[in-house]
Amino acid sequence: EVQLVESGGDLIQPGGSLRLSCAASGFTFSTYSMIWVRQAPGKGLEWVSHIDSSGTTIYYADSVKGRFTISRDNAKNSLYLQINSLRPEDTAVYYCAREDRYCSSSTCYEVPYYFDYWGQGTLVAVSS
Amino acid sequence: QLVLTQSPSASATLGASVKLTCTLSSGHSSYAIAWHQQQPEKGPRYLMKVNVDGSHSKGDGIPDRFSGSSSGTERYLTISSLQSEDEADYYCQTWGTGIWVFGGGTKLTVL
Repeated sequence: EVQLVESGGDLIQPGGSLRLSCAASGFTFSTYSMIWVRQAPGKGLEWVSHIDSSGTTIYYADSVKGRFTISRDNAKNSLYLQINSLRPEDTAVYYCAREDRYCSSSTCYEVPYYFDYWGQGTLVAVSS
Repeated sequence: QLVLTQSPSASATLGASVKLTCTLSSGHSSYAIAWHQQQPEKGPRYLMKVNVDGSHSKGDGIPDRFSGSSSGTERYLTISSLQSEDEADYYCQTWGTGIWVFGGGTKLTVL
């Protein structure tokens, strides 16, 4: 069974930093791209960042570029999000998700795709 | 610009059917999308991928009551035999190189 468990959320002051973690199990973590998505209170889902299986190809939403850093440790089956210079508008539940792979003729490829498994989220609250 | 548009709300009666719509922006009519369900106070759950030809592939354990279809720039999620637990927010999602996009979500109320 695929499981994604986020942790690290907290109440933090503006300008502070935080590191979120996502522990993965039930699949070969090192072969999948992973995603962070956030949801502000009462709002919709917003894609935040993407990292491929090797950690080589990384993308960020414009709203977090320069402040957030995504990384992964395949030996520990873990995904991370380092958040710096926190702003009140970063207040949200942060979800990690797995990006499915496109498979054809018994070969699977990492391509931009949909998210097929989600964690339960961790709350980051930014307030003085 | 890749944009997905959803109606903010929908409602239907217990036991009836409902069809939710996700509209792709102009110039993106060939894109597939995915549907995700978010029940109150829970994380999202992947429901299915809907292709431009209307074919769809569902996630693990998704009941047959959920189906997808497509027409032009519109992608649909149909839920039949509505149950109380179907009351949730439904988001569509699509993707491109270096970008992943969500619609604003539709809040479904089961009457």
